[in-house]
Amino acid sequence: GQSLEQPSEVTAVEGAIVQINCTYQTSGFYGLSWYQQHDGGAPTFLSYNALDGLEETGRFSSFLSRSDSYGYLLLQELQMKDSASYFCAVNTGFQKLVFGTGTRLLVSP
Amino acid sequence: NAGVTQTPKFRVLKTGQSMTLLCAQDMNHEYMYWYRQDPGMGLRLIHYSVGEGTTAKGEVPDGYNVSRLKKQNFLLGLESAAPSQTSVYFCASSWSAGSREQYFGPGTRLTVT
Repeated sequence: GQSLEQPSEVTAVEGAIVQINCTYQTSGFYGLSWYQQHDGGAPTFLSYNALDGLEETGRFSSFLSRSDSYGYLLLQELQMKDSASYFCAVNTGFQKLVFGTGTRLLVSP
Repeated sequence: NAGVTQTPKFRVLKTGQSMTLLCAQDMNHEYMYWYRQDPGMGLRLIHYSVGEGTTAKGEVPDGYNVSRLKKQNFLLGLESAAPSQTSVYFCASSWSAGSREQYFGPGTRLTVT
């Protein structure tokens, strides 16, 4: 089977740093993606790791360890607009994505 | 550029009715995908296409059919709708298998009564 595990909810205050973890077990692995989805909206791409290590894009960073089947998304300098659901997704080939169930991030003032 | 568009935005069907959801992209992408998202869940891949004239099954293909007659369009059909198909349907596209990113449409909210 294929499964991705991530926490269901995380809370933090503005300006803080939060880390959302993702562990995966899939048949086929070509990379780990992260998507953001606001309520009622479409998923939007945040980052993609095909190789081990850290990728940084502005306030967001993503990390991958293929040997541990583990990755995380790090959000720095949190803002109210970062309140959303965050999904990790494994590319199992041909960019076929298997998604986790999502982590709801609540940012408070 | 409109990106990825979906038609319709909302639809209510009765059990047994049929309908087609249309996805269009103006980015000249080769790959297109159909996902469904149920409340509190992640997206699940229904079908995908790696180019004009091609289609393939994803995780949850039963009860759905697709066609990709033109590169820019990807159609999702429900021949006989069931309440279990009540969901939000998202279409996405990407350049190729080597792409880092998929671009998603705004979604279609479908209710089957």
